[in-house]
Amino acid sequence: EPEVTQTPSHQVTQMGQEVILRCVPISNHLYFYWYRQILGQKVEFLVSFYNNEISEKSEIFDDQFSVERPDGSNFTLKIRSTKLEDSAMYFCASRETAANQPQHFGDGTRLSIL
Amino acid sequence: SQQGEEDPQALSIQEGENATMNCSYKTSINNLQWYRQNSGRGLVHLILIRSNEREKHSGRLRVTLDTSKKSSSLLITASRAADTASYFCATDKADNFNKFYFGSGTKLNVKP
Repeated sequence: EPEVTQTPSHQVTQMGQEVILRCVPISNHLYFYWYRQILGQKVEFLVSFYNNEISEKSEIFDDQFSVERPDGSNFTLKIRSTKLEDSAMYFCASRETAANQPQHFGDGTRLSIL
Repeated sequence: SQQGEEDPQALSIQEGENATMNCSYKTSINNLQWYRQNSGRGLVHLILIRSNEREKHSGRLRVTLDTSKKSSSLLITASRAADTASYFCATDKADNFNKFYFGSGTKLNVKP
């Protein structure tokens, strides 16, 4: 069964550094998402992306964050100047069509900011 | 807030017993989804139930949806130790299918 893949599985970065998290969504999917989960807390929506543009973003997704689909397969989340509170699991998800279809999640990238 | 909330927060049962988890939400939805998360892993999609559906089954899983009460339940029958995980419900909003809201989850422990 096709899967969403995320790399790296664990990223350790110094505070203030830029980090790029990578995702390869399922190939025929059109909608892409990033979520984060701070340890012990609920999964929080960050951003949704369709047709090469952001379709929805949360209050968390401020100017420090950006997303890009640089080619036909990758979907990236960039955090420009990381803060300690950015430490979390970051999950990518994709969905085939719009409403009433499940999202398929990757295994996540654990981001640790030192 | 649209966020769903599951209860109980934690549930411990013996293998073979049934486990029931509940989810409540606040606004009209297009669909509600249930996910499982094993420790340190990603979210695995279990079932999606649309707002015009009342019940769905998948193997040992049964999901109900009551839109008048804005609630859903997930029943796992004949539980196994491998069912030990956290279970989350996720909802969108009726006028916006692009944003999803997760609850805090129910941590299920199935004892062998």
